[in-house]
Amino acid sequence: SAVISQKPSRDICQRGTSLTIQCQVDSQVTMMFWYRQQPGQSLTLIATANQGSEATYESGFVIDKFPISRPNLTFSTLTVSNMSPEDSSIYLCSVGGNTGELFFGEGSRLTVL
Amino acid sequence: EDQVTQSPEALRLQEGESSSLNCSYTVSGLRGLFWYRQDPGKGPEFLFTLYSAGEEKEKERLKATLTKKESFLHITAPKPEDSATYLCAVHGSSNTGKLIFGQGTTLQVKP
Repeated sequence: SAVISQKPSRDICQRGTSLTIQCQVDSQVTMMFWYRQQPGQSLTLIATANQGSEATYESGFVIDKFPISRPNLTFSTLTVSNMSPEDSSIYLCSVGGNTGELFFGEGSRLTVL
Repeated sequence: EDQVTQSPEALRLQEGESSSLNCSYTVSGLRGLFWYRQDPGKGPEFLFTLYSAGEEKEKERLKATLTKKESFLHITAPKPEDSATYLCAVHGSSNTGKLIFGQGTTLQVKP
C-alpha cells in the first residue's frame, strides 16, 4: 500500500482566508482523490486530480472554491479558498490500490473561526 | 445513483460480545465493496474488499460477507481495541475510481 503524507495535519484559520493542503505519495500514481469529512459525517468526494489535466469536480464543489494542483505523479495540493466556518472539516487525500481500494492519508483537520 | 446505508449508527458491546454491522447498498454494476476502520483523528484504514455475492474475507476477529444487496461485518469476541468507526464504501461501474461511502457505524467495546 502507498504511504501518503499530508500537511498540515491541523490548522485554525480565520474567516475569509485561504489554506493550501499538501499531499505527498511515496510512489507514482495516476489518480489522486480529495475527500472531505465534515464533523460527524462520512466522506464526500470533492474532486479527482489527474496529472497533466484539470481536476474533475463533484456536484456541489467548484474550482474557484477548491482549486487543485497536480504538478507530478507523486504530489497534489488542495486549496480551500475564502473560508467560512462551514468549511471546518477533515480533508483527506487518497490514492487507488491495485484491487480498487483507496488508501488515505492521515487527513488535515481544518477549523475556521 | 449509487447509495450506501449503514446500520446501526452506533453500537455498544461488552468485551467478548459478538455482533454484526450492516451495510446496504444500491449500485449499478458493483466493482467492489470496501470496509474501512477509522480511529478518531485518523484517516480511514483499509480492511477488506469484496467483489461478488457469497464472498467472505477474514482478518483476526473480523469477517466480512457480501450478498447482492448488503454486506455484513461480523465481529467475534471483540476487544476494547476494536472500538472505532467502521465505514463501508462501494465502487460502481458508473464511477471510475470513485468510492461512495456510508455514514459509518461507531463501535464502542467496553472491558
